[in-house]
Amino acid sequence: GQNIDQPTEMTATEGAIVQINCTYQTSGFNGLFWYQQHAGEAPTFLSYNVLDGLEEKGRFSSFLSRSKGYSYLLLKELQMKDSASYLCAVMDSNYQLIWGAGTKLIIKP
Amino acid sequence: IAGITQAPTSQILAAGRRMTLRCTQDMRHNAMYWYRQDLGLGLRLIHYSNTAGTTGKGEVPDGYSVSRANTDDFPLTLASAVPSQTSVYFCASSEREGYNEQFFGPGTRLTVL
Repeated sequence: GQNIDQPTEMTATEGAIVQINCTYQTSGFNGLFWYQQHAGEAPTFLSYNVLDGLEEKGRFSSFLSRSKGYSYLLLKELQMKDSASYLCAVMDSNYQLIWGAGTKLIIKP
Repeated sequence: IAGITQAPTSQILAAGRRMTLRCTQDMRHNAMYWYRQDLGLGLRLIHYSNTAGTTGKGEVPDGYSVSRANTDDFPLTLASAVPSQTSVYFCASSEREGYNEQFFGPGTRLTVL
């Protein structure tokens, strides 16, 4: 079967750095996505990785290792507005997104 | 409008009733999707459409139907609602099938009693 695993909840301090991990087992691989979802709102796109390595976009970076079935999202200089759920999703061989349950990130002052 | 809109925002429905959730996008995207999101579970694909006139089944299609008469609209119909269909429903679109970014509507919170 297809499976995406990520921690249910994480807590971090404002101004700090946090890494959210995601491991996956899917039928085929056409890219890995990270989305941010604030409570009661729609998911919004953060990043896309299809090749191994690190993609940096401002305070957010995303890393992919296809051989290990592993990705992480790195958030730097945390701000209170970063409190949200972070969703990992993999596009499978049918070009459909398989979603993890999301990691709820709590930022404390 | 800009982006994707969904209606209604929320709805309480008696079991056995028929309900259509509406979704409209103005980005001229070819591909559209319906997901449901339940607590503790990832988003699950119900149905999708890669282009106007075509539709396909996702991971959890039973009890739902869709149509794609034109590029902009992608309604989702529950023929006879059951309590297990209580969920938050998101419509999304992307430029084309497999394109790397999906844009989401604000969601419809549906409660079936």
